[in-house]
Amino acid sequence: EVNLLESGGDLVRPGGSLRLSCTASTFIFKNFAMSWVRQAPGKGLEWVSSIGGTGGDEKYADSVKGRFTVSRDNSKNTLYLEMKGLRADDTAVYYCAKDQIPFNGQFDAFDIWGQGTMVTVSS
Amino acid sequence: DIQMTQSPSSLSASVGDRVTFTCRASQSVSTSLHWYQQKPGKAPKVLIYSASSLQSGVPSRFSGSGSGTDFTLTISTLQPEDFATYYCQQTYSFPLTFGQGTKVEIK
Repeated sequence: EVNLLESGGDLVRPGGSLRLSCTASTFIFKNFAMSWVRQAPGKGLEWVSSIGGTGGDEKYADSVKGRFTVSRDNSKNTLYLEMKGLRADDTAVYYCAKDQIPFNGQFDAFDIWGQGTMVTVSS
Repeated sequence: DIQMTQSPSSLSASVGDRVTFTCRASQSVSTSLHWYQQKPGKAPKVLIYSASSLQSGVPSRFSGSGSGTDFTLTISTLQPEDFATYYCQQTYSFPLTFGQGTKVEIK
């Protein structure tokens, strides 16, 4: 069964930093674009960032641009989200998600999602 | 940015009902439109991709249609397990955007 497992969520003070990880199993990780999506408590889904299969084609939501960095280590089947300058409105469950089709320069539907990791930004 | 607007925001329905909800894009997204179901405390699950293609393993009572700016998701016969929140998403251009969701509640 294809699986994504996030980790790294925590309680952090405003202005702090955190790194989220998402480890993939049972699919050829390097072939697929990956994304981060977040959901604030009681709110809808918000796309955060995406990265192409080889690690290029990084994209960011305006709300996190300049503060968050997406990366991947294909040798470890792991996706990362480095978060700096965290604010209260970054408080959310963060999901990693896999694109449905092998990366060809276009991004597609997210067919596999992790279970989510909670990031709380509060003093 | 492409804004995605879903309607209604919520609806009450009974088991066995036919339910249709809509998603409108602020500009054309061709057929790069996908539908997800999310239950409380769970990750979203893709139901329909590319506007009208049924994801493997998803019951055939779910169907999607549309292209350009107007899309619909239909549940032909509502089942107890279908009470959830449904989101549309466009992957036509960045930033990727989701609709605000339609919550389907038990009447």
